[in-house]
Amino acid sequence: QVHLQESGPGLVKPSQTLSLTCTVSGVSMRSGDYYWTWIRQPQGKGLEWIGYISYSGATHYNTSLVSRLLMTIDKSRNQFSLKLHSVTAADTAVYYCARDPAPMTIAGVVTAYGWGVWGQGTTVTVSS
Amino acid sequence: EIVLTQSPGTLSLSPGEKATLSCRSSQGVNSGYTAWYQQKPGQAPRLVIYSASSRPPGIPARFTGSGAGTDFTLTISRLEPEDFAVYYCQHYGGSPPGYAFGQGTKLDIK
Repeated sequence: QVHLQESGPGLVKPSQTLSLTCTVSGVSMRSGDYYWTWIRQPQGKGLEWIGYISYSGATHYNTSLVSRLLMTIDKSRNQFSLKLHSVTAADTAVYYCARDPAPMTIAGVVTAYGWGVWGQGTTVTVSS
Repeated sequence: EIVLTQSPGTLSLSPGEKATLSCRSSQGVNSGYTAWYQQKPGQAPRLVIYSASSRPPGIPARFTGSGAGTDFTLTISRLEPEDFAVYYCQHYGGSPPGYAFGQGTKLDIK
């Protein structure tokens, strides 16, 4: 059974870098065609997609965050990571990692399978 | 950029009733990329519908997704106590492409 677990500091100072890691267990990240995804949710608010990284290292970021964002993958540890630079209080949120199966197109019909596996989330507060 | 608008913001119903949740896109979208998630307090979201109308394993048949173009609907035919939660619609697309979420519909026990 696939399990995702976020880890990282719960408190980051303004203007510094937020760094989180998602550890994947129960399956090798190399098996299957997936996009390894980060999402965040400010307290009491909705969900925001941050971006994803594939096993090959290709990335796709939310355009609103692209200038501050770096995602990497550590194949030997079965982990992927997020770095968000120059954080402000607006970056305070619960951060989730999730697994996004690559969509399939058959006879011109696209099927995207949704994010069926999520981590439990980790709260990050930006404050001095 | 795609903007997804969900309605109503809050829906108050009783167990056994039927819930109809709406998601409208600011532009026509490929339904294959439309999903719905359920989120309960303190928990990660849970996928309930993918590709607009498909249920993942373990999701009860009372959850039905439909729609195309700009209008999508999640219907829960007979509400169970565990169905009361916040529901988000999601879509991938737009220019530049990316994932967008609706603002959520809170399904409350009446």
